[in-house]
Amino acid sequence: AQSVAQPEDQVNVAEGNPLTVKCTYSVSGNPYLFWYVQYPNRGLQFLLKYITGDNLVKGSYGFEAEFNKSQTSFHLKKPSALVSDSALYFCAVTARLYGNNRLAFGKGNQVVVIP
Amino acid sequence: EPEVTQTPSHQVTQMGQEVILRCVPISNHLYFYWYRQILGQKVEFLVSFYNNEISEKSEIFDDQFSVERPDGSNFTLKIRSTKLEDSAMYFCASSMGPDARLFFGSGTQLSVL
Repeated sequence: AQSVAQPEDQVNVAEGNPLTVKCTYSVSGNPYLFWYVQYPNRGLQFLLKYITGDNLVKGSYGFEAEFNKSQTSFHLKKPSALVSDSALYFCAVTARLYGNNRLAFGKGNQVVVIP
Repeated sequence: EPEVTQTPSHQVTQMGQEVILRCVPISNHLYFYWYRQILGQKVEFLVSFYNNEISEKSEIFDDQFSVERPDGSNFTLKIRSTKLEDSAMYFCASSMGPDARLFFGSGTQLSVL
């Protein structure tokens, strides 16, 4: 079975400060890892993914995530948060065996960037 | 950026009724998916569809559920006899390939009364 844990329901950060959204995963075999963002009344939008190679993955809107195999983590980071980054962030994992199929999502983290 | 379109945005139905949720995937995509999110819970995989057949389905996707691509543009999810616990936000997604990024629609909020 595969699963994702996003331990915090909400992350509050002041504009301009670093933003971190935590994710740990469990999967049999090698993982595909993803971050998606959801703005109000919109579908989930792809931010970045890790398949293989460099553990630091850079994505859209200045976000990056670091794959840590020993800690089974894939935390999302942004050096300087913007008010427009306020949204719901989802981490997801699947076994590479499945490709895109059977993505297991976390519950999501509400990020609030305070002006 | 291209978009996946879902209709309706909200659907209210009585328990035991059939509902059809509609999706228009991105036109050159070949892989199609349904996910759902019950309020306060995780987004869950339901089914994936490729080459006019189901390629993967989860334990949730029982005989009450079916998917269809009735023409070249639509992708539908049918729930034959809705239950209260089917109330959720249903997301359609599509991708160009099995490893390509998923594009999600904005969802259909299904409420079963």
